[in-house]
Amino acid sequence: EIVLTQSPGTLSLSPGERGTLSCRASQTINSGYLAWYQQKPGQAPRLLIYGVSTRATGIPDRFSGSGSGTDFTLTIGKLEPEDFAVYYCQQYGSSLTFGGGTKVEIK
Amino acid sequence: QLQLQESGPGLVKPSETLSLICAVSGGSISRSSYHWGWIRQSPTMGLEWIGSVYSSGTTYYNPSLGSRVTMSVDTAKNQFSLNVSSVTAADTAVYYCGRQRNFDYIDFWGQGTLVTVSS
Repeated sequence: EIVLTQSPGTLSLSPGERGTLSCRASQTINSGYLAWYQQKPGQAPRLLIYGVSTRATGIPDRFSGSGSGTDFTLTIGKLEPEDFAVYYCQQYGSSLTFGGGTKVEIK
Repeated sequence: QLQLQESGPGLVKPSETLSLICAVSGGSISRSSYHWGWIRQSPTMGLEWIGSVYSSGTTYYNPSLGSRVTMSVDTAKNQFSLNVSSVTAADTAVYYCGRQRNFDYIDFWGQGTLVTVSS
């Protein structure tokens, strides 16, 4: 099973700042099969990015994904008030597993 | 717009079977290139993929859950279901159903339903 480790656990930022979230895999993820989700309290996760860097429908371009192999990054270009949430990475190259999440909180 | 809605008992006794249904509206469950999955979330385990089913009935399960999981699809009713047998407190979680592009990421999610295992 591929284990995904996300860091940091919590990221404290102010609106307008740039956020960089990391997702590290225990082994190489085939063909860039990595996705990112956003989850707000009481809601289901929402797909942001798939295939490492492709934004899902309706996702603003301040969200971008990058990386390869075992190291992946979600960047939020300029934090809007609605971006404060928990973010999860998920790999689908070998079965499906999720990371433990990074909480982006208001500083 | 595609919508998914989970339904089922919110409380299940230990050793019994947890049964949930996901009703799909706004699109056909028989559409090719999509699988239909169950994911659960708990404070201890985080997000955990349980399994997925295709409209043909082909299933894929998370090995960590062993043989306790069965899933099925009802194309006539446009819904799919999940059974988890011999539940324990560790199965207490919010259960989500979702649509998977191929067997990949989940692009539509249900709102989730909390299932508590307790006597």
